[in-house]
Amino acid sequence: KAGVTQTPRYLIKTRGQQVTLSCSPISGHRSVSWYQQTPGQGLQFLFEYFSETQRNKGNFPGRFSGRQFSNSRSEMNVSTLELGDSALYLCASSLSGVADTGELFFGEGSRLTVL
Amino acid sequence: GQQLNQSPQSMFIQEGEDVSMNCTSSSIFNTWLWYKQDPGEGPVLLIALYKAGELTSNGRLTAQFGITRKDSFLNISASIPSDVGIYFCAGGNYGGSQGNLIFGKGTKLSVKP
Repeated sequence: KAGVTQTPRYLIKTRGQQVTLSCSPISGHRSVSWYQQTPGQGLQFLFEYFSETQRNKGNFPGRFSGRQFSNSRSEMNVSTLELGDSALYLCASSLSGVADTGELFFGEGSRLTVL
Repeated sequence: GQQLNQSPQSMFIQEGEDVSMNCTSSSIFNTWLWYKQDPGEGPVLLIALYKAGELTSNGRLTAQFGITRKDSFLNISASIPSDVGIYFCAGGNYGGSQGNLIFGKGTKLSVKP
């Protein structure tokens, strides 16, 4: 069974640019959650999508957005990048949702560096 | 907002030693989970706990869901070099549309052969 796939793995952007990250969940999983991981703050929840609808949202500014497609693939977008957005962005999938069991399957992450 | 206090932040131990780490919260959770993250990878679920007082093992790993529902601990017995990594606790409340998992900041484990 293929795992969670995130692309790209690494990317470098400059301040003010925007970025789109992609996540393909495990086949059959309908929930996709996104987390930001930084050394200082640890894993911070961004949002969760289930059946193409945003079900939960963390405490991040509106520059962070996401969507989910009918095949459960998800994208997240960060506009007007700031230096502090440099982080590892992790996508996690689960069968029915993070709120249901907490059993998440993580991808390897997309490491974003903002210069 | 909700926060988890995970300790210790880091540990340096000798191969063969036992390891203990814990997580505490000011909030009650219905679910406690422990994840491990290897360098360059995403976290992987080790143990999930769903009932207060529950004690669950996975090989050399044992985790307990505290009776107050505000804490959990993870023990690793007879550590080996591949135990190196960052261990995260996570607390959550499941059911309905309620939210997200809250993660601790991690315990970085180093094992000397």
